[in-house]
Amino acid sequence: DGGITQSPKYLFRKEGQNVTLSCEQNLNHDAMYWYRQDPGQGLRLIYYSQIVNDFQKGDIAEGYSVSREKKESFPLTVTSAQKNPTAFYLCASSERRPSGNTIYFGEGSWLTVV
Amino acid sequence: SQQGEEDPQALSIQEGENATMNCSYKTSINNLQWYRQNSGRGLVHLILIRSNEREKHSGRLRVTLDTSKKSSSLLITASRAADTASYFCATDAIDGGATNKLIFGTGTLLAVQP
Repeated sequence: DGGITQSPKYLFRKEGQNVTLSCEQNLNHDAMYWYRQDPGQGLRLIYYSQIVNDFQKGDIAEGYSVSREKKESFPLTVTSAQKNPTAFYLCASSERRPSGNTIYFGEGSWLTVV
Repeated sequence: SQQGEEDPQALSIQEGENATMNCSYKTSINNLQWYRQNSGRGLVHLILIRSNEREKHSGRLRVTLDTSKKSSSLLITASRAADTASYFCATDAIDGGATNKLIFGTGTLLAVQP
């Protein structure tokens, strides 16, 4: 089935550790996105990528890093520099320009700092 | 950055009633989309309305757009318990021709009581 797969669903991180969230899509979409959602809040854009080997910062990129070495994959690393990383992380993809296009979301990953 | 604001933040209705939620945004847009999110899950696209459209229907959903007021409304008719979810508007802003990302609102939490 076509779709977006995020893993793991639940992740616990110790203070000072980096963690990487996986996002894979088989929709043949050029554009991919990472959003953060805090409880009861909307989505905030962390990073996005329009094509392979290219990505741009979103509104809250500090403390995060990404790579886009393959069209299908857009992993997000939450670094120790991210002061408040506990949140729900959503990966998404779309045709290259979202104007007029639907964004498809994965099922999300819960990250908790312990 | 631009962000839509949904109103109300939370809405509780009885099954069979209609539910109306509103979205306001700040700058000119190419289009506006509505998404639904079940608790702890990813977002699912519901409907898209372009800036030159005033109203659009899809099944029990009706969306209106008033670009002069920078606002949109989502009406769900004959609601069902399964409609219980959070609903988000997302705008694709006109941004010097470089538009390539959606900005999401804060969401309306709809609870439909059986």
